[in-house]
Amino acid sequence: DIQMTQSPSSLSASVGDRVTIICRASQTFSNYLSWFQQKSGRAPQLLIYGASTLQRGVPLRFSGSGSGTHFTLTISSLQPEDFATYYCQQTYSIPFTFGGGTKVDIK
Amino acid sequence: EVELVESGGGLVQPGWSLRLSCTASGFIFGDYAVSWFRQAPGRGLEWVGFIRTKPYGGTTEYAASVRGRFNILRDDSRSITYLQMNSLRTDDTGTYYCSRAPTYRKRSLEYLSHFDHWGQGTLVTVSS
Repeated sequence: DIQMTQSPSSLSASVGDRVTIICRASQTFSNYLSWFQQKSGRAPQLLIYGASTLQRGVPLRFSGSGSGTHFTLTISSLQPEDFATYYCQQTYSIPFTFGGGTKVDIK
Repeated sequence: EVELVESGGGLVQPGWSLRLSCTASGFIFGDYAVSWFRQAPGRGLEWVGFIRTKPYGGTTEYAASVRGRFNILRDDSRSITYLQMNSLRTDDTGTYYCSRAPTYRKRSLEYLSHFDHWGQGTLVTVSS
């Protein structure tokens, strides 16, 4: 199984800050990496797929990059509605695995 | 508008069975694979299993934690996917989500790309 490790597990930031979340894989693979946002009590929402493709309707302040074993999600200017938990997920091999999540809260 | 709606959750005792449904609308259901995920209270996301499209046999894959106990089926005529859960355990407790996945073909096999639309989830509680 491919293990996905996210860092940090939590962070505090202010509106307007640039935020970067890292996801590392235990095995190298191409770009079958997605990022999700989940707000409390809600279903996950797809932000990024294919490591860097922005899902339709997602604001341009979200971006993804990386390949191999190192992937990043960047929020260029944090907005009040972005305070949530973020997960990475690989769909390269079964079982599809998630990172442990990064909770972004208000500083 | 794409929509997936889960139903069938509830409180059951260990060892019991439960069937969840995922009803889809707003897209051609038969063109997509469908996956189930779950989330234990206060925990992260876990993939449970998925079912391929009918052109690729409608075959299924499962996480090791549920293989042999859970079964996924699809009824394309009604745009519904089912998650049949047997021999339920207390650690099966959580919110269950269904999601659709665009697929692609590679060497005559069907692969899933990503999970772009999710239902709102249904809560399953396994407790005596």
